[in-house]
Amino acid sequence: SQKIEQNSEALNIQEGKTATLTCNYTNYSPAYLQWYRQDPGRGPVFLLLIRENEKEKRKERLKVTFDTTLKQSLFHITASQPADSATYLCALVGDYKLSFGAGTTVTVRA
Amino acid sequence: GAVVSQHPSWVICKSGTSVKIECRSLDFQATTMFWYRQFPKQSLMLMATSNEGSKATYEQGVEKDKFLINHASLTLSTLTVTSAHPEDSSFYICSASLTSGDYNEQFFGPGTRLTVL
Repeated sequence: SQKIEQNSEALNIQEGKTATLTCNYTNYSPAYLQWYRQDPGRGPVFLLLIRENEKEKRKERLKVTFDTTLKQSLFHITASQPADSATYLCALVGDYKLSFGAGTTVTVRA
Repeated sequence: GAVVSQHPSWVICKSGTSVKIECRSLDFQATTMFWYRQFPKQSLMLMATSNEGSKATYEQGVEKDKFLINHASLTLSTLTVTSAHPEDSSFYICSASLTSGDYNEQFFGPGTRLTVL
């Protein structure tokens, strides 16, 4: 069956450190993979999209990698700040639909 | 740009009543809108895909007679939860799709919290 797994439910880190989140998937062949941020009681906000033929994408302090052989994406938040505290979701794109992982909640301590 | 709104942001209703949730794309026309449901600490689950002027396509396990979707215009889709029960209590989120190059980007609404007593 198809599955999207995000490495851990929660990640606590010190301000200034790098947070690394993992998204693994099985029985999917996504053309794209996306990462979203979701704050409590709010809808997801798009952060980054990476295509299957791209290895890495960056946006400000965010970096995403995509390894279609390992069926894995890594999401990095560098120089983390308390304002980065949120739940981060990975989503696979296929057939114009999005399939989401359960998310990893990141808490950045000042 | 690409703002999606939902109304209401939260609703509390009695068991057995029907609740309508609106999803609007404010500054673009969306040929496709999507409805998701999210239970606490779980992922967003796609319920249905709605195309303007045609019947919605429901995901496996989603009852189309219970979750009525109407997509009457390019900027408005509605989800009606009929005869709501406590197990329907959830966070309902819509998204609207906009074609961007080779990709249909989805923009999400802020969500509607439904509580059925």
